[in-house]
Amino acid sequence: DADVTQTPRNRITKTGKRIMLECSQTKGHDRMYWYRQDPGLGLRLIYYSFDVKDINKGEISDGYSVSRQAQAKFSLSLESAIPNQTALYFCATSDPGRPNTEAFFGQGTRLTVV
Amino acid sequence: TQLLEQSPQFLSIQEGENLTVYCNSSSVFSSLQWYRQEPGEGPVLLVTVVTGGEVKKLKRLTFQFGDARKDSSLHITAAQPGDTGLYLCAANSGGSNYKLTFGKGTLLTVNP
Repeated sequence: DADVTQTPRNRITKTGKRIMLECSQTKGHDRMYWYRQDPGLGLRLIYYSFDVKDINKGEISDGYSVSRQAQAKFSLSLESAIPNQTALYFCATSDPGRPNTEAFFGQGTRLTVV
Repeated sequence: TQLLEQSPQFLSIQEGENLTVYCNSSSVFSSLQWYRQEPGEGPVLLVTVVTGGEVKKLKRLTFQFGDARKDSSLHITAAQPGDTGLYLCAANSGGSNYKLTFGKGTLLTVNP
């Protein structure tokens, strides 16, 4: 089983709908992140969380919200989806106890808003 | 937020050729990472460079961190089709609040 699991892997939704992307991890890491990837734009940080009670906005948080339900679970919500939120979304974790630590990514959720 | 510029954006070469991709910034990094992403997968760490001037080798891949810690390069010798993928550089942009900022990536295609 993957250490960082995202569900669903693919989703098509209509404009205006609320949608939740889920992420769970078995690595025991406190830090979790949500990134969005668009062609030619690389990975951009949406939200990040350093523990269950800590939520921080990234560079492109508008239109998104998150919930850290437990150390292992971090969900991303689009309250009212719009077509320009069509993208590949990645959840990642990292270990706070190690300097220059690497990020471990899930396999991604491909979201299409029509 | 520090900006990471990667070049080239796209690279298509024949099997056996050598190539270099670059990651540059006006900011000084405490460390820099290179990730590789295959289609349908998340990025996977290749290497972390920490010391200015550092050179690390991973089989046919050579990573270099600039002396001033503002730039890095990835050189692949005798590229193979299995090297095809998106290569991303990343650096910590949050100080003690560790968060990675990524470059836009270099999409490498190695043709048989």
